Amino acid sequence: KAGVTQTPRYLIKTRGQQVTLSCSPISGHRSVSWYQQTPGQGLQFLFEYFSETQRNKGNFPGRFSGRQFSNSRSEMNVSTLELGDSALYLCASSLAGGGAYTGELFFGEGSRLTVL
Amino acid sequence: DQQVKQNSPSLSVQEGRISILNCDYTNSMFDYFLWYKKYPAEGPTFLISISSIKDKNEDGRFTVFLNKSAKHLSLHIVPSQPGDSAVYFCAAGFMNRDDKIIFGKGTRLHILP
Repeated sequence: KAGVTQTPRYLIKTRGQQVTLSCSPISGHRSVSWYQQTPGQGLQFLFEYFSETQRNKGNFPGRFSGRQFSNSRSEMNVSTLELGDSALYLCASSLAGGGAYTGELFFGEGSRLTVL
Repeated sequence: DQQVKQNSPSLSVQEGRISILNCDYTNSMFDYFLWYKKYPAEGPTFLISISSIKDKNEDGRFTVFLNKSAKHLSLHIVPSQPGDSAVYFCAAGFMNRDDKIIFGKGTRLHILP
């Protein structure tokens, strides 16, 4: 069974630009969560989508947005990029909701964004 | 507000010895805890979990201990192997509530030959 697929794997942008990252969850998984990983902050929760609805949201500015499509694929967008947005963006899918009782989140390999 | 804290950014352990990774949490409502392992250039992978009704869960070389009164959990790896060198993330969530899973900042474990 295919894992979580994230594209692109690497990208470089300049300040002020915007970026869209894509995530295809494991087949049958309806929940997609996005996390930002930086060296000093670990894994910080961005948002979670379930059945095309944003169900949970982290403490990130409105420049960070996302959506989920009917096939559970998800995209996240960052507008007006800042240097501090340079990070590894990880997508994770799970069978049901965000509840930890589902056992685990399955992570993709991430999209590494560098903002110059 | 860091609800899940891993206060040791890194840890070095001799191969064959026990590795103990620690994690503290502040929200007493958390009732499910997980450990994830991450290699460079890969996404985190699930390692082991524990619910708040237990104080210990074991899976092969990995054991997680939970001390609810101290809001503390630890991951023990015995014996430590070279392939265990990775970043370990502690995470916490809720059994019966669809809410986000909160991760700590991670601890980088180095297994020394």
